[in-house]
Amino acid sequence: NAGVTQTPKFRVLKTGQSMTLLCAQDMNHEYMYWYRQDPGMGLRLIHYSVGEGTTAKGEVPDGYNVSRLKKQNFLLGLESAAPSQTSVYFCASSRVTGQGVYEQYFGPGTRLTVT
Amino acid sequence: SQQGEEDPQALSIQEGENATMNCSYKTSINNLQWYRQNSGRGLVHLILIRSNEREKHSGRLRVTLDTSKKSSSLLITASRAADTASYFCAPSITGGGNKLTFGTGTQLKVEL
Repeated sequence: NAGVTQTPKFRVLKTGQSMTLLCAQDMNHEYMYWYRQDPGMGLRLIHYSVGEGTTAKGEVPDGYNVSRLKKQNFLLGLESAAPSQTSVYFCASSRVTGQGVYEQYFGPGTRLTVT
Repeated sequence: SQQGEEDPQALSIQEGENATMNCSYKTSINNLQWYRQNSGRGLVHLILIRSNEREKHSGRLRVTLDTSKKSSSLLITASRAADTASYFCAPSITGGGNKLTFGTGTQLKVEL
């Protein structure tokens, strides 16, 4: 049981390049999330998904796109990277039942630098 | 927004001492969670307390919730060097995708 995994762990991009970050979870969780964390700040939600085939915008969605084609995977795309997108990106997942909210499980993060 | 604000921003104590961190929020909530983040790692869930609960324990952790004051506290007893980390609170409401909003956290340093 690997939990939440993220690929890659590190990446350096040049301004204008594109890339996709992959998040995978093996806990059969319905909900998945992408956050970014900048130095000295908390995590900010980029996009999230409440189920396969559904996505929604979070607090800071501009410049990012996401897809959830399979329940276990949540992809985050940067179409044209900018230096302002230099950050550490975290993926998370959580289960949901009729009883409400449960904890989120986080991946180890992807450190992205855009030069 | 259900964003919590942690206080203090930084806390330094000696091993064996207790550490108390506080969280304040502005809107009504259904529950509040606390997470820990070790340097360079992902967040790890510590404890969840629901709005109808006043206190909850988990090992060396004690969390209180006062919905009338819109505040929560996390107490770590008998701190260890391994407790050195950032701690975040996340107040939330049921539904709406279970979205969490994090503050800047409390950086705890436990010295030997």
